[in-house]
Amino acid sequence: QVQLQESGPGLVKPSQTLSLTCTVSGASISSGSYYWSWIRQPAGKGLEWLGHIYTTGSTNYNPSLRSRVTMSVDTSKNQFSLKLNSVTAADTAVYYCAREPIEVVRGVKVGNCFDPWGQGTLVTVSS
Amino acid sequence: DIQMTQSPSSLSASVGDRVTITCQASQDISNHLNWYQQKPGKAPKLLIYDASNLETGVPSRFSGRGSGTDFTFSISSLQPEDIATYYCQHYDNLPPTFGQGTKLEIK
Repeated sequence: QVQLQESGPGLVKPSQTLSLTCTVSGASISSGSYYWSWIRQPAGKGLEWLGHIYTTGSTNYNPSLRSRVTMSVDTSKNQFSLKLNSVTAADTAVYYCAREPIEVVRGVKVGNCFDPWGQGTLVTVSS
Repeated sequence: DIQMTQSPSSLSASVGDRVTITCQASQDISNHLNWYQQKPGKAPKLLIYDASNLETGVPSRFSGRGSGTDFTFSISSLQPEDIATYYCQHYDNLPPTFGQGTKLEIK
């Protein structure tokens, strides 16, 4: 059974960098069949895809955050990570990691769903 | 980005009722549409993929249909454990986006 678990600081100061790690168990992150994703959800609001990373380190980011987001992968630890810089209160949210099976749609590789998800971790941006 | 519009935003129904939620995409997304259930304090759970395929282990009272721009999600007989917020999500291109959610309550 594949499981994902987010970890990282729950409190980040404004203008600093949010850093989270997702640890994958029950499957190898080196599998070529999946993207590994980050999604966030502000309290009482909807879901926003932040981006994903492939085992090679190749990434796709949401254009709305592209200038502030960096994702990386550590296959030796079966982990992938998120860094979001210059955070503000608007970045306060529950952050989830998830697995995306890869599918080719109109000649472009996309993830075709998010399954499974980690339990989520609340990150608050406050001084 | 493709916009996903769900309706209604909230819904109150009785146990045993048939419930239907709609999701409209801002452009043709074929059948590249998933449905998720999110219970309070929990991560979303995939219920339906490719518009109409039931994820393994999901009760058969859940169903989905549609293609192109218009999709529906139904629960044939509402159960107390179905109380949750439901989201549609497209994967036709990047970035994938979600509907704003439909909060389902028991009347």
